[in-house]
Amino acid sequence: SQTIHQWPATLVQPVGSPLSLECTVEGTSNPNLYWYRQAAGRGLQLLFYSVGIGQISSEVPQNLSASRPQDRQFILSSKKLLLSDSGFYLCSGSSSGANVLTFGAGSRLTVL
Amino acid sequence: DQQVKQNSPSLSVQEGRISILNCDYTNSMFDYFLWYKKYPAEGPTFLISISSIKDKNEDGRFTVFLNKSAKHLSLHIVPSQPGDSAVYFCAASHNDYKLSFGAGTTVTVRA
Repeated sequence: SQTIHQWPATLVQPVGSPLSLECTVEGTSNPNLYWYRQAAGRGLQLLFYSVGIGQISSEVPQNLSASRPQDRQFILSSKKLLLSDSGFYLCSGSSSGANVLTFGAGSRLTVL
Repeated sequence: DQQVKQNSPSLSVQEGRISILNCDYTNSMFDYFLWYKKYPAEGPTFLISISSIKDKNEDGRFTVFLNKSAKHLSLHIVPSQPGDSAVYFCAASHNDYKLSFGAGTTVTVRA
């Protein structure tokens, strides 16, 4: 079965500072990988997805970027954080051809 | 544009009774639907799913019903237990395995 690891679990950053959230996947090769964000009181919004190394699709224009340097590694970044970037970020993955996503435990980002 | 809607933000139910969670969608191309359960400060976990070729899928205490003509699905939990207290997300996809999620319904099971 697939396991998603993401870190850090909690992060407090000042406005204008950089961000790097990391995610790694165990138990499957060539997974589809996703970054979602849950803002306070809202559902899960898809930010980025990747079907392979170096292949990133962005769902919404924003202050964030994603990269996939290895098959099982997915990174969410920002050069300069905004207050509106605060939220709960979730990395998820699915085996190629599967509809069910497995989620990591999430990373709580607070931008002050 | 929210393609998956959960119009009830919260639901309170007594232990042992049935919990019914509702979800509506607007995209008629969706062909696979899922429910996820989420505890605070944790990632969502997959609960149950249904393909558009079916109208019902059952797994233990959980049953999902799909009404394609109404673009509506529901999750029934019976009997409800205290451990069912969580946020439940409805999700839908079409071919490309990108899930669109609803805003979630917080279920509280009272003893």
